[in-house]
Amino acid sequence: EPEVTQTPSHQVTQMGQEVILRCVPISNHLYFYWYRQILGQKVEFLVSFYNNEISEKSEIFDDQFSVERPDGSNFTLKIRSTKLEDSAMYFCASTGVSNQPQHFGDGTRLSIL
Amino acid sequence: GQNIDQPTEMTATEGAIVQINCTYQTSGFNGLFWYQQHAGEAPTFLSYNVLDGLEEKGRFSSFLSRSKGYSYLLLKELQMKDSASYLCAVRNYGQNFVFGPGTRLSVLP
Repeated sequence: EPEVTQTPSHQVTQMGQEVILRCVPISNHLYFYWYRQILGQKVEFLVSFYNNEISEKSEIFDDQFSVERPDGSNFTLKIRSTKLEDSAMYFCASTGVSNQPQHFGDGTRLSIL
Repeated sequence: GQNIDQPTEMTATEGAIVQINCTYQTSGFNGLFWYQQHAGEAPTFLSYNVLDGLEEKGRFSSFLSRSKGYSYLLLKELQMKDSASYLCAVRNYGQNFVFGPGTRLSVLP
């Protein structure tokens, strides 16, 4: 069964550094999402992406965050200047049709020191 | 505003049936989804409802009442591997999901 893949599985970064989290959505999917989950808390929506542009973003997704689909397969989340509170699990998700369930990748655990 | 409520924790016995409730108040509604999440892992899709009524998928069933802002997930023939968090998520008109806090289910032998 096709999967959403995310790399790296764990990223440790110094505060203030830039970090790029990578995702390869399921190949025929058209809608892409990033979520985060702080340890012990609920999953929170960050941003959705369709047709090469952001379709929706949450209050969490401020100017420090950006997303890109640099080629036909990758979907990246960049945090420009990381803060301690950015430490969380970041999940990428995709779906082929907008009203269908989203499929989640295994996540990247981001630890900011 | 958007608010989704679920019980924080539940305990049940192997082989039993458990019902996990979810109530929601959201700015839009375009489906209610249930996901299972084991500790440290990604959410995996279980079931969803767009219209009122019961959807059955093997040992898992989900029910929706849009007028009451209410859903439940029913797990039958519980197994030890069903010990996990169960996440209720509402998709609003913007297509993103609003997740509830999750219900941590412990299945005891």
